Amino acid sequence: GENVEQHPSTLSVQEGDSAVIKCTYSDSASNYFPWYKQELGKRPQLIIDIRSNVGEKKDQRIAVTLNKTAKHFSLHITETQPEDSAVYFCAAKDNLFFGTGTRLTVIP
Amino acid sequence: DSGVTQTPKHLITATGQRVTLRCSPRSGDLSVYWYQQSLDQGLQFLIQYYNGEERAKGNILERFSAQQFPDLHSELNLSSLELGDSALYFCASSEGGPGELFFGEGSRLTVL
Repeated sequence: GENVEQHPSTLSVQEGDSAVIKCTYSDSASNYFPWYKQELGKRPQLIIDIRSNVGEKKDQRIAVTLNKTAKHFSLHITETQPEDSAVYFCAAKDNLFFGTGTRLTVIP
Repeated sequence: DSGVTQTPKHLITATGQRVTLRCSPRSGDLSVYWYQQSLDQGLQFLIQYYNGEERAKGNILERFSAQQFPDLHSELNLSSLELGDSALYFCASSEGGPGELFFGEGSRLTVL
């Protein structure tokens, strides 16, 4: 089956700095790669996604890059703000397999 | 509001008991997913249905079962409950193909 590894498990950054979270997957058949944000006590919500025919996608301060050859994709958050503090999950294989999550803390 | 409705929001029960969690997907979505999230843990995929049929199965225990009804709502049945089954159970829906999942608020199960 698919194996999704996510790093780091925790990340603390100063407000205004950038944050990068990386996921690797094993199943080369995966072609949809979403990132979900889960605030404390809330449901996960999609923040950005990318499909295998694209190498990079941006949405304001958030970007995702995909390297299909190396089987990894990364979430990039620039100019971080305190409201970015949350747990971020990557997923692969049509949302069936999630990474273990990254707890991001943005220090004001 | 994601449009996905889960009931009950909270449930406290005893070991050995059986419970049913209910999920109504977003209007128009054909696919329903169930996930288990234990304290400070990730999302463990349990099972997926598409238009009434089971599409994918994850690490779902034999004590657990699910189904999707003709009106597309889904139920997750958990039986012979153990302390370790205490968790937040999320339902999510999507149109059907690989794409954004819309999560419900979750059902928090506490087994005492």
